[in-house]
Formats: sequence, structure tokens, C-alpha cells
Amino acid sequence: NAGVTQTPKFRVLKTGQSMTLLCAQDMNHEYMYWYRQDPGMGLRLIHYSVGEGTTAKGEVPDGYNVSRLKKQNFLLGLESAAPSQTSVYFCASSYSKDTQYFGPGTRLTVL
Amino acid sequence: AQSVTQLGSHVSVSEGALVLLRCNYSSSVPPYLFWYVQYPNQGLQLLLKYTTGATLVKGINGFEAEFKKSETSFHLTKPSAHMSDAAEYFCAVSDHNDMRFGAGTRLTVKP
Repeated sequence: NAGVTQTPKFRVLKTGQSMTLLCAQDMNHEYMYWYRQDPGMGLRLIHYSVGEGTTAKGEVPDGYNVSRLKKQNFLLGLESAAPSQTSVYFCASSYSKDTQYFGPGTRLTVL
Repeated sequence: AQSVTQLGSHVSVSEGALVLLRCNYSSSVPPYLFWYVQYPNQGLQLLLKYTTGATLVKGINGFEAEFKKSETSFHLTKPSAHMSDAAEYFCAVSDHNDMRFGAGTRLTVKP
């Protein structure tokens, strides 16, 4: 089992460009999450999903959109990237409010 | 909404000394509590968790934590630090559908 995978691992964008981050899990988890990690701020929840076809906002949803068309995939989109979105992005999945399993992260730089 | 406070963004101990990382939480419902560890350029790995039952929980690598409801605390300890314990540690609380993380504590182990 691969667990939780994220693509790409690294990306550099110019301000105003768009991109999509892909998260995939092979554990048949219902719940999936997108976080961003910034120095001194821990992980902050962007959006999450409690099942296929459902999404909900987390702590810091502005500037991001998500989709969960298939149970195993959770996509995070940036429609118009800003320098403030420079961060490390982590995807996670879980059965419910129990243990979350994390991907290796995507390092995004917006110039 | 639930929240987590980790006291001390940096903790430094000598090899062989006691490790104590502090975590306090707030939650409106009985919480699930977690400690995760993050090594450089990696995702988060679960160290241990409390859901219900015994309040002293043991995790991997010799770590343990005690849930104290009256103090709303879930401090992480290890009797004897090893060089390989150097990492960043995150406390997290989960009540309904999402998980909230503390800002993290970076542990340094001196030889």
C-alpha cells in the first residue's frame, strides 16, 4: 500500500497563475484533509471532506477550492496564486476523527 | 471550536535527560488527543493517541503521554532522550470532523 501520496512534490508559480495539487489514498478512508504548514504556526486546515462528493471549509479556506469526485482523490486548487500562499501543503486521510495519515507534502513557492 | 496550545516553541535537552513537551487543549466534547512527530522534509507520523479508557498512553520510540481532564492537558514525556528524537512535535485535538494542531515544539538533543 502506498498510503497517502501527493503530486507534485515541488512547484514554483508566478503571481496570478493557477494550479491543482493532487492527493490520493489507497486506505479506503472516508475523510480527507488539506493543510498548510507555515513556520511557527503549525498546521492549519484549509478544506476537508467527509466523503465522496462532499467538501467543507476549514480554518483558512480563502483563495483555495477543493473537489472530491472520487473517494480516493482529493484535489486542492489555487485559481490565482498569491505570494501569501507560499507554503508547504499536506494532505491527510482518516476513517473519522481518529488518526490521520499524512502525505509527504508539496512545497509551493509563489513569486 | 477546539484548540491546542503547546508551551515552548523550542526545547533543548541533553542526551539521556528527561523529555517533557507540554500541550493544553480546549474542546466542547470529549476529545481525541494526538501527538505527531515530523522529521525534516517529511510528513507527520503518529507517536501516540488518546481516545477513551486508560489515561496514560504509550507510543512508539519510548514516548508516553497522560490525559488529565481536570487540567485539560496532554503532556508528552520520554525518560531518556536520544539523538534520534530531535524533530518537531505537534499536539492535536479532534472532536467532530476536523483536527486542530498546536504550533509545534522543536526538540533539540545535545550530545
